[in-house]
Amino acid sequence: NAGVTQTPKFRILKIGQSMTLQCTQDMNHNYMYWYRQDPGMGLKLIYYSVGAGITDKGEVPNGYNVSRSTTEDFPLRLELAAPSQTSVYFCASVREGNYGYTFGSGTRLTVV
Amino acid sequence: AQSVTQLDSHVSVSEGTPVLLRCNYSSSYSPSLFWYVQHPNKGLQLLLKYTSAATLVKGINGFEAEFKKSETSFHLTKPSAHMSDAAEYFCVVSPYNKLIFGAGTRLAVHP
Repeated sequence: NAGVTQTPKFRILKIGQSMTLQCTQDMNHNYMYWYRQDPGMGLKLIYYSVGAGITDKGEVPNGYNVSRSTTEDFPLRLELAAPSQTSVYFCASVREGNYGYTFGSGTRLTVV
Repeated sequence: AQSVTQLDSHVSVSEGTPVLLRCNYSSSYSPSLFWYVQHPNKGLQLLLKYTSAATLVKGINGFEAEFKKSETSFHLTKPSAHMSDAAEYFCVVSPYNKLIFGAGTRLAVHP
């Protein structure tokens, strides 16, 4: 099992560019999450999904969009990149009622 | 609203001495609590979790934590630090299948 796979691992964007961070899990988990981690800080929840077709905002959703068309995939979209979005992004998943959250290895994004 | 407060942003210990990382939580009901560890430039690894079973929870690599409802605390301990324990540690509370992270404690281990 691959677990939670995030791509790319690193990316540099220019201000105003757009990109999609990919997240795929092969554990048939219904809950998926996107977090961002700023230097010296804990993780903040951006968006989450409790199943295909259902998404909801977390603590810091501004500037991001998500979709969940399948159980496996939960991409995060940045439409107009800003320097404030420079961060490390983590995707995670868990099966409802379980506590075994699985995290991806992260995407380090720099906006210049 | 549920939240966690990690009382120390940095902790420094000598190898072979005990480790104590402090965490207080705020919750309107009995929470699920976790400790995660993050080594430099790595992802997150679950150390241990409390889900309303035994109040003393044993985790990986010799770590354990005790849930104290009266003190709303969930401190992480290890009897003897190893150099490989140097990392960032996060206390986490879980309401309704979401994880809320503390700001983290950076543990330094000196020879």
